[in-house]
Amino acid sequence: AQTVTQSQPEMSVQEAETVTLSCTYDTSENNYYLFWYKQPPSRQMILVIRQEAYKQQNATENRFSVNFQKAAKSFSLKISDSQLGDTAMYFCASFTGANSKLTFGKGITLSVRP
Amino acid sequence: DTGVSQDPRHKITKRGQNVTFRCDPISEHNRLYWYRQTLGQGPEFLTYFQNEAQLEKSRLLSDRFSAERPKGSFSTLEIQRTEQGDSAMYLCASRARQGSREAFFGQGTRLTVV
Repeated sequence: AQTVTQSQPEMSVQEAETVTLSCTYDTSENNYYLFWYKQPPSRQMILVIRQEAYKQQNATENRFSVNFQKAAKSFSLKISDSQLGDTAMYFCASFTGANSKLTFGKGITLSVRP
Repeated sequence: DTGVSQDPRHKITKRGQNVTFRCDPISEHNRLYWYRQTLGQGPEFLTYFQNEAQLEKSRLLSDRFSAERPKGSFSTLEIQRTEQGDSAMYLCASRARQGSREAFFGQGTRLTVV
C-alpha cells in the first residue's frame, strides 16, 4: 500500500521569500510518480509539479522546485519568491501503475503574508 | 473542452434523502476517479473507472454509494439514505491512458446533509 505523509499542518511565509514544504512517502513499487497539487481557497485542485521516480534530476517549474530523495523517500517542494497568489493548501501525492490511483497526504495550508 | 466539469457545485439535502452527482471528464481521458475530501484533509479515494469498467472501490464506499460510467463518458455518483457523515466535497478527476499520469480535477460538489 502507498502512504503519503505531510506532517506540517500550516506554514506562513513573507512575500518574496522562500519556503519549503515537506513530504515523505512509502511504496513498495519501483516505478512511481510524485506530485504536488495546489488547492486555492474555494477553487479546484491544480498540478504544481511532478517527478518521475526513475529520473534522478529534480523537477523544476519556474519558481517551484522539488528535492527528491529517493532513498529517504522524501519529496519536498520549494517555492521561491513567494507571491500572495501562492496562498493555498498544498497536497503531496503519489501514483503507481500497480493500483493506478493517486494517494494524497493530508495537505499543508500555506499563507503568504504581504 | 474546458476541463473536468462537475454538477451540481453545491447540494444541501436532508438526512435520509438520495443524491446524485455528475462528472464530465476531459473528452479523451479514459480514466475517471472519484474522491471525497473533508475540511482540512486530503482527498480520499473512493472509486476508479477505466472506460466504462469500475476497476476499484475503496472500503470507504459503503453499500449506500454507487457509481456508474455508462459508455465510458460521464460518470454519476449516487448516495442513498444520506447521513450527516456524508457531508464533504466530492471531487472527480480524469487522466489520459498514456503520458504523465497527471490527474485533472473538477471543481467538486460540496454536499451538506442536514
